[in-house]
Amino acid sequence: GIQVEQSPPDLILQEGANSTLRCNFSDSVNNLQWFHQNPWGQLINLFYIPSGTKQNGRLSATTVATERYSLLYISSSQTTDSGVYFCASGAGSYQLTFGKGTKLSVIP
Amino acid sequence: GAGVSQSPSNKVTEKGKDVELRCDPISGHTALYWYRQSLGQGLEFLIYFQGNSAPDKSGLPSDRFSAERTGGSVSTLTIQRTQQEDSAVYLCASSLGTPLEQYFGPGTRLTVT
Repeated sequence: GIQVEQSPPDLILQEGANSTLRCNFSDSVNNLQWFHQNPWGQLINLFYIPSGTKQNGRLSATTVATERYSLLYISSSQTTDSGVYFCASGAGSYQLTFGKGTKLSVIP
Repeated sequence: GAGVSQSPSNKVTEKGKDVELRCDPISGHTALYWYRQSLGQGLEFLIYFQGNSAPDKSGLPSDRFSAERTGGSVSTLTIQRTQQEDSAVYLCASSLGTPLEQYFGPGTRLTVT
């Protein structure tokens, strides 16, 4: 099955800083999603982005399907951005395969 | 509108007992998925339902696990003779179809003592 790798595994930012999270996947995908898991464990949908670029406020994402990677950009980080960010992809089937996540800590 | 709901939010059970976990998908979503999240294995797929088609059970870890979906809506995941390694957060998701965006419920935290 498809392999999904996320980097970095851990990231500590000062409030106000910008960051880029990366997701590499091993095969062509027809589904690519970014999630933020909050401290209560809820997976919050950030982007559905099997290809192209999308922006939502301080967050944006780009997927380059031909090169098998996706990037999540967080600008002007806030303490509420802390948590684990997951990339998940699907290749030819419906199930999502998740990466191990990037744990982001934003300190005041 | 209402999101995916799951119940109970927490469940503590003794080893060897059976448990049932419930998922109520977003209204109108034809696809429903179960995943689980554990410390050692991360987030992993368990089972998938699409409309009236036979479910894909390829992710179920053992024959102690089963699931059903009644009337194309509510789903129940049943774990028989629970073991300590079944302790995890069980997540349900739904989507309008496949391969479309999946939306997750808050999960059921299962602890087997």
